[in-house]
Amino acid sequence: NAGVTQTPKFQVLKTGQSMTLQCAQDMNHEYMSWYRQDPGMGLRLIHYSVGAGITDQGEVPNGYNVSRSTTEDFPLRLLSAAPSQTSVYFCASKRSPFGWNTDTQYFGPGTRLTVL
Amino acid sequence: KQEVTQIPAALSVPEGENLVLNCSFTDSAIYNLQWFRQDPGKGLTSLLLIQSSQREQTSGRLNASLDKSSGRSTLYIAASQPGDSATYLCAVSAAPETSGSRLTFGEGTQLTVNP
Repeated sequence: NAGVTQTPKFQVLKTGQSMTLQCAQDMNHEYMSWYRQDPGMGLRLIHYSVGAGITDQGEVPNGYNVSRSTTEDFPLRLLSAAPSQTSVYFCASKRSPFGWNTDTQYFGPGTRLTVL
Repeated sequence: KQEVTQIPAALSVPEGENLVLNCSFTDSAIYNLQWFRQDPGKGLTSLLLIQSSQREQTSGRLNASLDKSSGRSTLYIAASQPGDSATYLCAVSAAPETSGSRLTFGEGTQLTVNP
């Protein structure tokens, strides 16, 4: 299994540009999520999904959209990039969304995004 | 709002030393607690997960304890090695029904083990 994969690894955008960060997992996990990691703020949840067709907001959703058309993929869209979105973005997945407090969350390698 | 604090922020030790990393959280109503390792420029690797009903978990040279009532967890690393150098993150999860399985992270302890 490849686990959780993310592309691209690095990206530089200009303010106002849009882009999609890709995330895929091959473990048939129902639950997927996006976090951003910033110095002094730790990791914060942006959006999450408990299964195909179901998404919800996390702690810091503004400026980001997500969709979950398949179990495997959970892309994160920046509609109009802002310098405040400069961060490292991590995608994560776990087996089930509910009921299993033994479920480990698996993280991808991250995407480093700079918005100029 | 759940807050997670990790002390110390950075730690430098000689190889072979036993060490303890600390994590505290403000809301004791947690679902589970995980310790992660993050290498520079890399993603997070899960080290140990402790269920809310458990007191400790062990994996090799690592032992994590949980005292839910006092809001504390420790990660004990025995016989440290230079390869243990990384940032160690503590994260707590509230009940999925109320939090969407959100993990609340501490800012981490940056560990350096010197040969």
